[in-house]
Amino acid sequence: AQSVTQLGSHVSVSEGALVLLRCNYSSSVPPYLFWYVQYPNQGLQLLLKYTSAATLVKGINGFEAEFKKSETSFHLTKPSAHMSDAAEYFCAVSVYSSASKIIFGSGTRLSIRP
Amino acid sequence: DAGVIQSPRHEVTEMGQEVTLRCKPISGHDYLFWYRQTMMQGLELLVYFNNKAVMDDSGMPKDRFSAKMPNASFSTLKIQPSEPRDSAVYFCASSATGTGHSYEQYFGPGTRLTVT
Repeated sequence: AQSVTQLGSHVSVSEGALVLLRCNYSSSVPPYLFWYVQYPNQGLQLLLKYTSAATLVKGINGFEAEFKKSETSFHLTKPSAHMSDAAEYFCAVSVYSSASKIIFGSGTRLSIRP
Repeated sequence: DAGVIQSPRHEVTEMGQEVTLRCKPISGHDYLFWYRQTMMQGLELLVYFNNKAVMDDSGMPKDRFSAKMPNASFSTLKIQPSEPRDSAVYFCASSATGTGHSYEQYFGPGTRLTVT
């Protein structure tokens, strides 16, 4: 069965520093992978998605993620953090038996220090 | 498109009362999902529909929760009777399948339910 693990429930970085949020997945078949962001008191918003095309995926707000099959990872990065990036980030994987159903990770709260 | 629409945005009710949450998916989307988010449990999938039919409701407490989708543009999640442990944010999401789609879900703003 597919699953996703996010390493670190809380990450804190300084403004301008590199953002790295870690995600590892488990899937017996090539998955679809997603990163979502949730700002306070809002719904989840799609940041980017991997659908078996390019392994380096670029998303909104300067974020990108790289699919590494050998490491079963899909880490999210941004070169320079901005105060507005403070939010909860969710990694997610599609379920092969029902590709429309997505399994979400437990989330990583990103804090930005001035 | 207006995106996924949910109502009400906030609901405060007393234990034992009936609560109905409403959702309008994005036009043309054939999947609709209901999630519950709490600090303790995170994001939980309660039930989802494909073309108005229930596909999986294994995450939904059947004794008090019911979900319906009478048409392609409207769904309800009903709790009767409500209990304090039902306090959470309830999200509706929709997605489209078929050629050109890759199963990402689009979320509504959520309904914050407080049961006292």
